[in-house]
Amino acid sequence: DQQVKQNSPSLSVQEGRISILNCDYTNSMFDYFLWYKKYPAEGPTFLISISSIKDKNEDGRFTVFLNKSAKHLSLHIVPSQPGDSAVYFCAASGGATNKLIFGTGTLLAVQP
Amino acid sequence: GAGVSQTPSNKVTEKGKYVELRCDPISGHTALYWYRQSLGQGPEFLIYFQGTGAADDSGLPNDRFFAVRPEGSVSTLKIQRTERGDSAVYLCASSLRPTGGNAEAFFGQGTRLTVV
Repeated sequence: DQQVKQNSPSLSVQEGRISILNCDYTNSMFDYFLWYKKYPAEGPTFLISISSIKDKNEDGRFTVFLNKSAKHLSLHIVPSQPGDSAVYFCAASGGATNKLIFGTGTLLAVQP
Repeated sequence: GAGVSQTPSNKVTEKGKYVELRCDPISGHTALYWYRQSLGQGPEFLIYFQGTGAADDSGLPNDRFFAVRPEGSVSTLKIQRTERGDSAVYLCASSLRPTGGNAEAFFGQGTRLTVV
């Protein structure tokens, strides 16, 4: 049972445009959500997070939006840069658990 | 460096052998996690330590897998009688407090285990 879903395995965007990565979750007990970025042969790198008490968190070019009623979050990157090309993982935690539950990832390719 | 360090970065072993994977967390981080990532999948939780004790080992797939953190810092993941299906990247992460407390986890570069 996949509690965190990233339904787009890949996304291609032109440099300078907006990248939107989506994530859906099923467990209503999740109250903290994170995005990680992963380059090949490296571990995931923390990017940005959001608590369930907020619906938006912004950090530079990166903004995460949370829609609790739809159990959906998205990561916006604007403007996209070639160095943003990586696999992006959505993760969630909350309830009685201290572990992170990850989605399957979306491979973002930013074309110069 | 100041990040999470994992050794070795690559390990090739024969089916049936025993392996140990090591993780040095960020200094001062009390929470430590082991995850496993297979090709095309996201990291999958294995075990979580708070201090020296395993607070949640519900992700360990079977009793061939075991992990320790005797002094509350370095952790070792041990796999007995390895099988080809154990081949994956094993990731370690640490955080200042449990991620259920709204804390981000910082990952090491992983150990790529290949069982032949």
